[in-house]
Amino acid sequence: GQQLNQSPQSMFIQEGEDVSMNCTSSSIFNTWLWYKQDPGEGPVLLIALYKAGELTSNGRLTAQFGITRKDSFLNISASIPSDVGIYFCAGQRGGSNYKLTFGKGTLLTVNP
Amino acid sequence: DTAVSQTPKYLVTQMGNDKSIKCEQNLGHDTMYWYKQDSKKFLKIMFSYNNKELIINETVPNRFSPKSPDKAHLNLHINSLELGDSAVYFCASSPSGRGVRANNEQFFGPGTRLTVL
Repeated sequence: GQQLNQSPQSMFIQEGEDVSMNCTSSSIFNTWLWYKQDPGEGPVLLIALYKAGELTSNGRLTAQFGITRKDSFLNISASIPSDVGIYFCAGQRGGSNYKLTFGKGTLLTVNP
Repeated sequence: DTAVSQTPKYLVTQMGNDKSIKCEQNLGHDTMYWYKQDSKKFLKIMFSYNNKELIINETVPNRFSPKSPDKAHLNLHINSLELGDSAVYFCASSPSGRGVRANNEQFFGPGTRLTVL
């Protein structure tokens, strides 16, 4: 099935640093979403992107829908300890209403 | 609280048993989903129902049978459990409407950790 390549797999950073992670695909996606999963919880939607080139912010988080529609990135500025968790990208392809394909996740650890 | 809820949170059972996981959402959404998250945290869609109608059925063994008694509930029944079924199962829901946007903003439950011994 369609795979999303998410990188990096894991990151270890100091509190206050900025973080960037991205997702790429060999196919075009119509929608990109970014989720965060805390330990023992379900994924929570952070940002949804619907248009190529779209740049959207949610607090310290900023995500962009790549111009080619084959990639997206998520930036976190001035990281804090509660940012720890697994961040997932997810994409929806044309003609696949309701079906999301998820990346393998980026595990973020923030050292205080 | 408005949310997606699942029961039980943890399920430990013997190989060969039959078990069910229940999911309820009070968000007024029309579409519900079951996902499986494996030990490497990979999330994969299993099923989706829209207004009680099955719309997504991925390559899942037929030991897994979803049931949607109404659009607020989507239960997952698993027959003859195997060791490889051990995983975290997430229920999710999304609104549906004329626009594609609503369909993609999926809200997840807290998960059910299934351990088959």
